[in-house]
Amino acid sequence: DVKVTQSSRYLVKRTGEKVFLECVQDMDHENMFWYRQDPGLGLRLIYFSYDVKMKEKGDIPEGYSVSREKKERFSLILESASTNQTSMYLCASIQGSGSSREQFFGPGTRLTVL
Amino acid sequence: DAKTTQPPSMDCAEGRAANLPCNHSTISGNEYVYWYRQIHSQGPQYIIHGLKNNETNEMASLIITEDRKSSTLILPHATLRDTAVYYCIVKSNTGKLIFGQGTTLQVKP
Repeated sequence: DVKVTQSSRYLVKRTGEKVFLECVQDMDHENMFWYRQDPGLGLRLIYFSYDVKMKEKGDIPEGYSVSREKKERFSLILESASTNQTSMYLCASIQGSGSSREQFFGPGTRLTVL
Repeated sequence: DAKTTQPPSMDCAEGRAANLPCNHSTISGNEYVYWYRQIHSQGPQYIIHGLKNNETNEMASLIITEDRKSSTLILPHATLRDTAVYYCIVKSNTGKLIFGQGTTLQVKP
């Protein structure tokens, strides 16, 4: 059974802290994505990666960075967390580019920044 | 990337067909239409996708207009467990999914 896992379901951090959100997929997928989801705004793409050490900005990259050192792992980093980064964060992966195959999502991490 | 437009909410009686519309008038020729749904506190779940032809699987049917500017997701016999937010998405060549606001479907007994 395919699986995308995220390191935490719930996380509480303080303003200014450095936060790491980890995502691991066991499907040998090339493409991985980080979204955030907020009420009334839907899912918005933060960053994505189509290969190891490669990354592309999504629609709202400000305040975030990412790391893809291994194919199965895609990390989202909040260098200095702020209250407006309180959100649900969803990781996803898909095999290849231009493919019609489905994108698999993790269960999400609900981050609260105090 | 193409955008999608969906009604914010819909109701459906249990056991009846739920027809969820989506407009994607700026879709390009090689972009797929995907449908996902999200039940509260869970990650989005894949339902179905298509390019030009109508598609059917065990969960739903997807009807795409000939000009590909709109589509309809059909849940043939809605149950209470189908209550969720349904997202119509156009998938770009890079594989990224652009989510719209989605339609909140409320299935009522």
